[in-house]
Amino acid sequence: QKEVEQDPGPLSVPEGAIVSLNCTYSNSAFQYFMWYRQYSRKGPELLMYTYSSGNKEDGRFTAQVDKSSKYISLFIRDSQPSDSATYLCAMSPLGQNFVFGPGTRLSVLP
Amino acid sequence: EAGVAQSPRYKIIEKRQSVAFWCNPISGHATLYWYQQILGQGPKLLIQFQNNGVVDDSQLPKDRFSAERLKGVDSTLKIQPAKLEDSAVYLCASSGWDRVSDTQYFGPGTRLTVL
Repeated sequence: QKEVEQDPGPLSVPEGAIVSLNCTYSNSAFQYFMWYRQYSRKGPELLMYTYSSGNKEDGRFTAQVDKSSKYISLFIRDSQPSDSATYLCAMSPLGQNFVFGPGTRLSVLP
Repeated sequence: EAGVAQSPRYKIIEKRQSVAFWCNPISGHATLYWYQQILGQGPKLLIQFQNNGVVDDSQLPKDRFSAERLKGVDSTLKIQPAKLEDSAVYLCASSGWDRVSDTQYFGPGTRLTVL
């Protein structure tokens, strides 16, 4: 089992849809959780950052962490064509470097 | 604020040749990372520098990969000799003094194709 897993997609949704992106992990020591967005031929850029369990909201984006289930999610409301990208989850134990998931490719169709 | 700069953006070489990539981090960022991102996968950390010292190089294939950050600013990553499986995007990232919680800013990457 890989340390961090994501649905590979690709995921296609119509504009305005609610998108749910998910990661599962096996290392119970993970405490920091991040979501990155990566446009084609660009480097990843940080979207959301959470520590331990709970929810965090930023505009149209909501990140959820459920440490008991070793499951994290990113929700995108009112999705736009500009949200079309690959979404990477990343996580780390305290004081250690991040492990990235393989990414989910999202296409939002106008 | 200028972002992380990388060059070249693209490189095509034949197997067994050598190649070098350059990275200039965001000004003032003490921590610099090199990642390898194979198509369809997430970035994998190769090496992390804090100023000009190596913090983590546990996943660097040291028989063929080397990296340096001599003056604690820009960095080079070298592959010698290259193998077909080295075809990937090589990403450089930098962050401020607190590597645990500070944001990593990524450059655009260098896309390497080994024929």
